[in-house]
This record gives sequence, structure tokens and C-alpha cells, in this order.
Amino acid sequence: RKEVEQDPGPFNVPEGATVAFNCTYSNSASQSFFWYRQDCRKEPKLLMSVYSSGNEDGRFTAQLNRASQYISLLIRDSKLSDSATYLCVVASGGGADGLTFGKGTHLIIQP
Amino acid sequence: GAVVSQHPSWVICKSGTSVKIECRSLDFQATTMFWYRQFPKQSLMLMATSNEGSKATYEQGVEKDKFLINHASLTLSTLTVTSAHPEDSSFYICSAETGHDNEQFFGPGTRLTVL
Repeated sequence: RKEVEQDPGPFNVPEGATVAFNCTYSNSASQSFFWYRQDCRKEPKLLMSVYSSGNEDGRFTAQLNRASQYISLLIRDSKLSDSATYLCVVASGGGADGLTFGKGTHLIIQP
Repeated sequence: GAVVSQHPSWVICKSGTSVKIECRSLDFQATTMFWYRQFPKQSLMLMATSNEGSKATYEQGVEKDKFLINHASLTLSTLTVTSAHPEDSSFYICSAETGHDNEQFFGPGTRLTVL
């Protein structure tokens, strides 16, 4: 079983629409959760951390469900510039741990 | 803040040669840095954790004698791919942890092509 699973997509979404991604993780001891964005042939960039209480940053909302071990990302009023691959990322420990990445969900915003 | 640089951004080398990649945290000190590898259409895979002043911790399946890591200061970690072969061709990315909630910031990556 993969540690972090995501639907690879692609998700083709019209500009202005709302789109949501889910991600599941297998390690119940995981402590930190993130969404990263990766553009083609570029390094991942931190989009947002995901907290148990959920968090919102502008058009982006992240939710964590520890009981079901899934994380979600909601993008409202999508822009063409939101086209990218969104990586669900999990860290298992409280100390300095490498991150475990999902394979990413490819999002294409269409004009 | 939290800027990580990596050098070189791309390198082409002959099979059998060694390649050194540098990763620097520019505006913060990082006691821990990480090295990842990404093959085409694959996700990033952690190779090793680089700890300042001590030996790196390698993930299962990663040869420590082939991928030499040195973390001599709080702002610099190097990865040397020794005796590179075509199958080592990949995108190598480093990251540094800021110490805040396990957040890591990534360097721009190094694209290695071994002929």
C-alpha cells in the first residue's frame, strides 16, 4: 500500500470554477501535513500547511481528517495560473524528518 | 525569507565521472537538510537526511558510498554522485528545514544527465 495516495488526474477545470483534491495517507503516526505546488520541471513550492482545525489562505482551503487519514485542498475561483501539479505531503515525526510525497494531482485550468 | 539555492542547475557528464551538487540556505541556518530525487513523471523520493556535523542518514536502497553527503556548515550541504551512470540521470532537489512545524523549503533543483 502506498504511503500517500492521490488521484493523478488530470483535472480539467474551467476558469472560475471550484476544484477539490483529496489525498489519503497510511501512517497513522503522521504528524505534519502539507500541500506543495510543483510546476513543470521546477522544484516544489510550499502552498500551505494543513492543521487539524483546517486552514484557509485566500482562495485555498485545506482540511485534515485524522480519523479517516485524509487531507483535502479546495481551490475557489480558479485562475489560469493555478494550473500545476499539487503534491500532498506528509511528515511522520515531530523532529527533522524527510517528507513523503504523493505522486501529485495534475490540474489544468482552461480559459 | 527561507531561500534555498542549489548549484549547478544542470549538468551533463560522462559515465564514470563524479558530480558535486551544492545546496545552500541563504537567509537561515539549517541543521538539517534533505536530498530528494525525482525521475520523470514520478514523485520526489527522499534519498537522505543531511545533518550538520554528523553523518547523513540514508533511505533504504540508496547507496551511501555512491551518494556522498557532506554537511559541513549550517548553511551548506553537498551531494556527490560518484562514478555516475546513465541510470543516475535525474532531477536532484535539496531542501532545508526552517524549524517551524517541519516546513521545508526547496532549492531549484539540479538536472543531471549522464551520457
